[in-house]
Amino acid sequence: GQNIDQPTEMTATEGAIVQINCTYQTSGFNGLFWYQQHAGEAPTFLSYNVLDGLEEKGRFSSFLSRSKGYSYLLLKELQMKDSASYLCAVADSNYQLIWGAGTKLIIKP
Amino acid sequence: GAVVSQHPSWVICKSGTSVKIECRSLDFQATTMFWYRQFPKQSLMLMATSNEGSKATYEQGVEKDKFLINHASLTLSTLTVTSAHPEDSSFYICSARDGLAGSNSYNEQFFGPGTRLTVL
Repeated sequence: GQNIDQPTEMTATEGAIVQINCTYQTSGFNGLFWYQQHAGEAPTFLSYNVLDGLEEKGRFSSFLSRSKGYSYLLLKELQMKDSASYLCAVADSNYQLIWGAGTKLIIKP
Repeated sequence: GAVVSQHPSWVICKSGTSVKIECRSLDFQATTMFWYRQFPKQSLMLMATSNEGSKATYEQGVEKDKFLINHASLTLSTLTVTSAHPEDSSFYICSARDGLAGSNSYNEQFFGPGTRLTVL
């Protein structure tokens, strides 16, 4: 079966750095997405990785290792507004998005 | 960036009535649209995928006669929840992309703001 695993909840301090991990097992791989979702709102796109390595975009970076079926989202200089759920999703062989359950990130002052 | 709108943003209805939710791509042509459902504290669940001008492909366990999807144009898809019941209360989200499902050029999905449905 297809499976995406990520931690249910994480807590971090404002100004710090946090890494959210995602491991996946899917039938085929056509890229991995990270989305941010605030409570009661739709997801917003953060990053897309299809090749191994680190993609940096401002305070957010995303890493992918296809051989390990592993990705992480790195958030630097955390701000209170970063409190949200972070969803990992993999596009399978049919370009269908398989979603993880999301990681709720709580930022404390 | 690409913008997707949904209407209404929230709706409350009585059990047994039908509710129509519209999803529009405002500044691009959405060849493919997706409808998701999300229950509280759970992940997104894909309900169906639709390509413009053809019948929607429903995920296993989703009743196609209950959740009617029409993707009649490149900028509009509608989801009608027929004979809604309290268990249908959920957050319904559409997304759109401008590449055909299954094509080699995979494009990002752009999400609408979601519609919160409450069935009394």
